Amino acid sequence: DGGITQSPKYLFRKEGQNVTLSCEQNLNHDAMYWYRQDPGQGLRLIYYSQIVNDFQKGDIAEGYSVSREKKESFPLTVTSAQKNPTAFYLCASSSLLSSGNTIYFGEGSWLTVV
Amino acid sequence: AQSVTQLGSHVSVSEGALVLLRCNYSSSVPPYLFWYVQYPNQGLQLLLKYTSAATLVKGINGFEAEFKKSETSFHLTKPSAHMSDAAEYFCAVRNTNAGKSTFGDGTTLTVKP
Repeated sequence: DGGITQSPKYLFRKEGQNVTLSCEQNLNHDAMYWYRQDPGQGLRLIYYSQIVNDFQKGDIAEGYSVSREKKESFPLTVTSAQKNPTAFYLCASSSLLSSGNTIYFGEGSWLTVV
Repeated sequence: AQSVTQLGSHVSVSEGALVLLRCNYSSSVPPYLFWYVQYPNQGLQLLLKYTSAATLVKGINGFEAEFKKSETSFHLTKPSAHMSDAAEYFCAVRNTNAGKSTFGDGTTLTVKP
């Protein structure tokens, strides 16, 4: 089935560690996104990419990094510089061709600092 | 610039009652508007979207929304609530096909038996 796969679903990070969240899509979408969601709050955009080997900072990019080496993959690294990383992370993708492009979401990954 | 305001972070209705979730937007150009639903520990799922065609948009699970340009609103409604409708609902706006989407803070819908 077509969709977006995020892994792992649950991840624990020690202070000072970098961790990477995986996101793969088989929808042939050009654009991919990473959002952060804190409990009881809305979505905040971390990074997005509209083409391979190019990406732009979103509203809260500090302490995060991404890469887009392949169209179907958009991993997010949460670095030790991110002081409050505990949150629910959502990866998403969309086509850039159709009108009113729908953003499709993965199932999310929980990151907890221990 | 674009923004979304969802009025009411929590809405509670009885089973069988009307559901009304409010969304107002701000956009410098004609927008695309979306409603998404999120169940606990899951991603967001599209309920419906407005893309400048009919102003009354019908979505999945019996939901619909009406685009009112004069009021800059895109409220979500459902005539009769089911227990399975309990979830968090997000309104989103997008200016262009290649633009970023802006999400509201969400409204948690509780359905009482």
